[in-house]
Amino acid sequence: GQQVMQIPQYQHVQEGEDFTTYCNSSTTLSNIQWYKQRPGGHPVFLIQLVKSGEVKKQKRLTFQFGEAKKNSSLHITATQTTDVGTYFCAGDSNYQLIWGAGTKLIIKP
Amino acid sequence: NAGVTQTPKFRVLKTGQSMTLLCAQDMNHEYMYWYRQDPGMGLRLIHYSVGEGTTAKGEVPDGYNVSRLKKQNFLLGLESAAPSQTSVYFCASSYALSPHYEQYFGPGTRLTVT
Repeated sequence: GQQVMQIPQYQHVQEGEDFTTYCNSSTTLSNIQWYKQRPGGHPVFLIQLVKSGEVKKQKRLTFQFGEAKKNSSLHITATQTTDVGTYFCAGDSNYQLIWGAGTKLIIKP
Repeated sequence: NAGVTQTPKFRVLKTGQSMTLLCAQDMNHEYMYWYRQDPGMGLRLIHYSVGEGTTAKGEVPDGYNVSRLKKQNFLLGLESAAPSQTSVYFCASSYALSPHYEQYFGPGTRLTVT
C-alpha cells in the first residue's frame, strides 16, 4: 500500500538554529497536510499544500510541495522553545490520510 | 465550543476485558475518525465514519468495532483487549472528506492493557 516516509525521526538543535523535516511518498499525492503535536498533546493542523511546487510560509515556517507531488518539506528558521514537538506530514490515499512517522524537534539545553 | 472531546482520558484493562471509548464533537462535522498512535510511529487509522449510521474500516481495524448512532458521537469498542492494543487513541473529525479538509483532534485516551 501507499507509504509516506518522514525523516529524520529526531532532530536536536540549539535554540536559534534551523530545523527541517522531509516527507516522501511512494505515489503521487493530491495534497499533503502538516500537523504539529506538542509533548503530551494532540495533533494540530498547520497547513495544507495542493499545487505542484507550492510554497507557503507561516512566520518562521516554510512549507514546500515537490514538483512531482511526491515529496514535501517543512523548514523552521531560528527555532524557539515554543517550536518543540513532533511534526507530522500526512498525504492522501483513497480519501484516507496516510501519516508519516513524524520528526521530533528537540531543543538542546 | 468544546471541539472534540474524548472519554476516558486514561484506562487500564486486563487482557480479555472490554471497553468503549467515546468521542463527541460539537462542530457539526460529517466525518469522524479513530486513530491509534504508538511510539515512533505516525497515526494509524482504525475506523472512520462519513456520516451518521455509516462506518468503514481503516488501516488497522482488527480487534475494534465502531458505531455512529448520532452525528456528534463516534464510539470505539474493544471486545477482548490484548496487550498489543496498548496505545494512545485519538478521535478526530472534519467538516468534509479528508484529505481535503483539516482534521480536528481530541485530547486522546491513553490505554494500557496488562
